[in-house]
Amino acid sequence: GEDVEQSLFLSVREGDSSVINCTYTDSSSTYLYWYKQEPGAGLQLLTYIFSNMDMKQDQRLTVLLNKKDKHLSLRIADTQTGDSAIYFCAEMGDNQGGKLIFGQGTELSVKP
Amino acid sequence: ETGVTQSPTHLIKTRGQQVTLRCSSQSGHNTVSWYQQALGQGPQFIFQYYREEENGRGNFPPRFSGLQFPNYSSELNVNALELDDSALYLCASSPGLAGGELFFGEGSRLTVL
Repeated sequence: GEDVEQSLFLSVREGDSSVINCTYTDSSSTYLYWYKQEPGAGLQLLTYIFSNMDMKQDQRLTVLLNKKDKHLSLRIADTQTGDSAIYFCAEMGDNQGGKLIFGQGTELSVKP
Repeated sequence: ETGVTQSPTHLIKTRGQQVTLRCSSQSGHNTVSWYQQALGQGPQFIFQYYREEENGRGNFPPRFSGLQFPNYSSELNVNALELDDSALYLCASSPGLAGGELFFGEGSRLTVL
């Protein structure tokens, strides 16, 4: 079945760039998503990318997609302490509407 | 602010009881999905409703059921609660099946004792 994998932890210094990586197995993925979850809260949609794109930039966030290797990354420039949270990668298959397959999440810790 | 609201935010039930969780979709969104997020895990897809019909189901038993109403609000019902049902239940709304923006509510945290 479909699977999404992420490394579990990442620690960076304030002001550095963070890069969170994700791999997925579903070759029919149409959309790939990044969500942020703070303690006790729901999921905040950060950005998403359609599978025919290889890059998307939105302010401090840059998403890179390598469809051949089924690899997705999220780069956060000038990381701040407020960026500390769990980041989830998720993929949606063809015409699957709201059915997302999530990774386990990467806990980002930003140290001052 | 995603426009997706869920209630209640927290609740405690005992094993064997039944629970109903509610979700109000963002205006104009006709598709709602429900997810279960156990502690320390990523969300798991339960099922999806599109225009009041179930349209896809994850690996959850029949005691997990749902409804979507004409105004596109939705309910998740869980019967015969088990301890392992303790989790954060999230709903998400989207404007259709084609993908794109998908917004989540803040979730309902269910504790089963």
